Amino acid sequence: DTAVSQTPKYLVTQMGNDKSIKCEQNLGHDTMYWYKQDSKKFLKIMFSYNNKELIINETVPNRFSPKSPDKAHLNLHINSLELGDSAVYFCASSPYQGTYGYTFGSGTRLTVV
Amino acid sequence: DAKTTQPPSMDCAEGRAANLPCNHSTISGNEYVYWYRQIHSQGPQYIIHGLKNNETNEMASLIITEDRKSSTLILPHATLRDTAVYYCIVRPYNFNKFYFGSGTKLNVKP
Repeated sequence: DTAVSQTPKYLVTQMGNDKSIKCEQNLGHDTMYWYKQDSKKFLKIMFSYNNKELIINETVPNRFSPKSPDKAHLNLHINSLELGDSAVYFCASSPYQGTYGYTFGSGTRLTVV
Repeated sequence: DAKTTQPPSMDCAEGRAANLPCNHSTISGNEYVYWYRQIHSQGPQYIIHGLKNNETNEMASLIITEDRKSSTLILPHATLRDTAVYYCIVRPYNFNKFYFGSGTKLNVKP
């Protein structure tokens, strides 16, 4: 069983479209995250949810809207896609309290053309 | 702000120990040292973390200097599958973010 799974793995879409990426974790963790890795390979946190509540929003354009229907799922919806949104998006999860490391998914490579 | 400094790249012979250094001279008393790695095209993988004592798990050992201003991640017997970018991150207890820097690209060679 994959601990943190993301779908789709690859996504190619045109500018202006709206798309969603889904993430699910089966680790029983309370907190989930979205990270973006750009073409220069820098990993940046975007959002964090704890038990369905948004706790971190790192100055991300409001075209990006995360949604957490329950603590095991965190989806990322992106409106009006732009060329600069092309990146690999990683979902991660962790227990809320403590010093635990994160468990990351395998990523979704988004290409906007 | 970069709180850690790592060499951009290192080479290691297969079967030898890989010692990856990290400087964190401004580390605070409540900050832990974490190590992750990212194998090409995969998600980052948590390796190990520590506060001030040396730590060991099935993947690696973490050696933190007594003044806590630097640390070394040790992969005791590197294999080709250990070729990856290794990230050293300092983070306070219960802080809900990891800020990733540029890391060290470890090349394990046959």
